[in-house]
Amino acid sequence: AQSVTQLGSHVSVSEGALVLLRCNYSSSVPPYLFWYVQYPNQGLQLLLKYTSAATLVKGINGFEAEFKKSETSFHLTKPSAHMSDAAEYFCAVSEGIQGAQKLVFGQGTRLTINP
Amino acid sequence: DAGVIQSPRHEVTEMGQEVTLRCKPISGHDYLFWYRQTMMRGLELLIYFNNNVPIDDSGMPEDRFSAKMPNASFSTLKIQPSEPRDSAVYFCASSFAGGNGANVLTFGAGSRLTVL
Repeated sequence: AQSVTQLGSHVSVSEGALVLLRCNYSSSVPPYLFWYVQYPNQGLQLLLKYTSAATLVKGINGFEAEFKKSETSFHLTKPSAHMSDAAEYFCAVSEGIQGAQKLVFGQGTRLTINP
Repeated sequence: DAGVIQSPRHEVTEMGQEVTLRCKPISGHDYLFWYRQTMMRGLELLIYFNNNVPIDDSGMPEDRFSAKMPNASFSTLKIQPSEPRDSAVYFCASSFAGGNGANVLTFGAGSRLTVL
């Protein structure tokens, strides 16, 4: 069964600094990978997705993620953090075409931005 | 599009009472998911439907939980009887399985349940 591990339940960066949120996955077949963001008292919103096309995926709000099969990783980055990026971020995996309907989420990483 | 609509947004009830959470998916979406979010367990998939048919309910914790989707525009998640450990935020999400197979979920705002 597929699984996701997010390293670091809390990450704190200064405004303008690089944001790096780590995600490693386990999957027996080529995966589809996603990053979602959750703002307080809201549902999850899609940031970006990897679906076996380009390994570097660009998403909304300046975020991007790189799929590295050899490292089974899909880390999320943003060059310069903004105060509005403070939220909880979830990495998720689904398995191929047959399993594409079922996502498994990581535990989430809470991102704090310091002024 | 109004997005995925969930009701109620907040529910406080006493142990033993029946709780019904409701969800209206996005029109045209053919998948509907119920997730539960808690601090301890994170986001857990409870059940999902395809074209109103339950496909996988292996995440439903106990027989006290049941879910239905009588038509393409409505689903309910029922807990009877409720217990304090059911306190959580329950999310409904819907999606359309497009040509590339990547299932992009659109989430509702959630229903926060507190069982006293």
